[in-house]
Amino acid sequence: GENVEQHPSTLSVQEGDSAVIKCTYSDSASNYFPWYKQELGKGPQLIIDIRSNVGEKKDQRIAVTLNKTAKHFSLHITETQPEDSAVYFCAASRSSGGYNKLIFGAGTRLAVHP
Amino acid sequence: GAVVSQHPSWVICKSGTSVKIECRSLDFQATTMFWYRQFPKQSLMLMATSNEGSKATYEQGVEKDKFLINHASLTLSTLTVTSAHPEDSSFYICSARSLGGETQYFGPGTRLLVL
Repeated sequence: GENVEQHPSTLSVQEGDSAVIKCTYSDSASNYFPWYKQELGKGPQLIIDIRSNVGEKKDQRIAVTLNKTAKHFSLHITETQPEDSAVYFCAASRSSGGYNKLIFGAGTRLAVHP
Repeated sequence: GAVVSQHPSWVICKSGTSVKIECRSLDFQATTMFWYRQFPKQSLMLMATSNEGSKATYEQGVEKDKFLINHASLTLSTLTVTSAHPEDSSFYICSARSLGGETQYFGPGTRLLVL
């Protein structure tokens, strides 16, 4: 079945450094790739998403890149801050034919140390 | 915009009782709502998808008679855990999506503890 692999499972960086989280998906028909941030005890919050007709998208310190050929997409956080510490989930879905449930990666626990 | 609420935020109940969790989209019409379950330090596991006015579609391995889902309006879906047991203790999260939309907006989650 459809699968999304996410690496690394944990990531520790110093404040101000960059953080990169990578995901690989198996369903070549996937065309929508959101990233969620989940803080302890809370629900996931959408931080950025990208569609398959775009190779890169940026929103302030956050950027996402997509390589459809390799079926890879990555989250880049620059100038990390302690408040970026959370669990980040990537997901993939295909929004056609009514089949559009999200397939989630296993999550990356990011710790930003002051 | 795109705010989803859940009630209650946490609940403790005795084994054998039923618990109802509400999920509401506050500022948009959610034609589709999703219910997830999340165990500590794990990813989100989709339990079921519900479209307004239709029966929910359950994922493989999820008992539909145990986890009753109702999506009677465009802003409200409910999940009822019937005859709850300690192994049902988990973090339950709903999400909502508007008609034609791709983005799922998540609620804050409900922590269930069954004693």
